[in-house]
Amino acid sequence: EPEVTQTPSHQVTQMGQEVILRCVPISNHLYFYWYRQILGQKVEFLVSFYNNEISEKSEIFDDQFSVERPDGSNFTLKIRSTKLEDSAMYFCASRTLSYYNEQFFGPGTRLTVL
Amino acid sequence: ILNVEQSPQSLHVQEGDSTNFTCSFPSSNFYALHWYRWETAKSPEALFVMTLNGDEKKKGRISATLNTKEGYSYLYIKGSQPEDSATYLCAFMVDSGAGSYQLTFGKGTKLSVIP
Repeated sequence: EPEVTQTPSHQVTQMGQEVILRCVPISNHLYFYWYRQILGQKVEFLVSFYNNEISEKSEIFDDQFSVERPDGSNFTLKIRSTKLEDSAMYFCASRTLSYYNEQFFGPGTRLTVL
Repeated sequence: ILNVEQSPQSLHVQEGDSTNFTCSFPSSNFYALHWYRWETAKSPEALFVMTLNGDEKKKGRISATLNTKEGYSYLYIKGSQPEDSATYLCAFMVDSGAGSYQLTFGKGTKLSVIP
């Protein structure tokens, strides 16, 4: 069964460093998402991506964040200069064109900023 | 700000017990409600996508109902088994007009089934 994969599973970084989180969505999916969950809090939407551009972004997704789909299979989230409060589990998700269909989630990348 | 609330926050049941959880969400601008099952270190797994008022869906021992007019959904597990232990998330689908239909999640109900 096709699945969304994410690498790495755990990333530790120093405050101020850049990190890139990687995702491989399901191959025939067209919408891609990043969500995050800070420990003890709700899963929060960050950004959606369709047709090679950002479709929607939340208030959390400021200038420090960027997304791209460099090669038609990978979908990346870059945090330019990490802050302590960026420590969270980051989930990638994808879905087909129909919004009635489920979003398929990856297992997440746990980002720890020291 | 959209608010999706789930109760209870956590639940411990004996193997064989039946249980249910609640998800409440805004009753206006409804598109869909998703239920996910999430085991630690695994991907959240979609259980149901519910779209119509009065919907009832079933997958094995797990079923869900939807009331969009009053803004709630129930998830039922019949005859709980230890493998049902997980966090159950509900998510309200939002459309801000851009067509992305992102999800707004509740905090989840953590179920522990004691053998």
